[in-house]
Amino acid sequence: DQQVKQNSPSLSVQEGRISILNCDYTNSMFDYFLWYKKYPAEGPTFLISISSIKDKNEDGRFTVFLNKSAKHLSLHIVPSQPGDSAVYFCAASAFSGNNRKLIWGLGTSLAVNP
Amino acid sequence: DTEVTQTPKHLVMGMTNKKSLKCEQHMGHRAMYWYKQKAKKPPELMFVYSYEKLSINESVPSRFSPECPNSSLLNLHLHALQPEDSALYLCASSQSRIASYEQYFGPGTRLTVT
Repeated sequence: DQQVKQNSPSLSVQEGRISILNCDYTNSMFDYFLWYKKYPAEGPTFLISISSIKDKNEDGRFTVFLNKSAKHLSLHIVPSQPGDSAVYFCAASAFSGNNRKLIWGLGTSLAVNP
Repeated sequence: DTEVTQTPKHLVMGMTNKKSLKCEQHMGHRAMYWYKQKAKKPPELMFVYSYEKLSINESVPSRFSPECPNSSLLNLHLHALQPEDSALYLCASSQSRIASYEQYFGPGTRLTVT
């Protein structure tokens, strides 16, 4: 059962416009959420994160919004650039026994067109 | 410096070979991870080391054998692999397995089993 869902496998956006990537989760015990960006044949790169006690975190062109009541978070990229074209993974952090683990979504492939 | 390095970048091995993947981090992190990633899928956790001790083994077949010689190094020894083990193998680290959320990934080793 997928606890972290990214329902859009792909997204295409024009350069300079806003990219909005969405993520839903089912487990209310998740207390921290992260976004990773991945280029082909490379490791994921940590982008931005948010604690469950906040509703917004901003870092440059990247903003993550969290709606706990809806169990929904989104990543906004403004303005989008061609170099942002990659697969974006949403991940949630939760305890599993004595360890923290990342629970991953299936990813959204973003294409930013010049 | 948030760098995790992995060697080799690419590896082709036969089903009877023995090889090792290496990972190194100098961020003072005390938790290190091995993940396996197939194309268009999220990373799949294999092992977690905390303070050089194996903390999680996600029911990985014994043909994969992890080793943590010291707090900066993590190895994955491979023996008698199957073609379906071909994947991108990722190493990651975090400050600790409990208190920290962000994991920082290396570039990965692209493994092909023939």
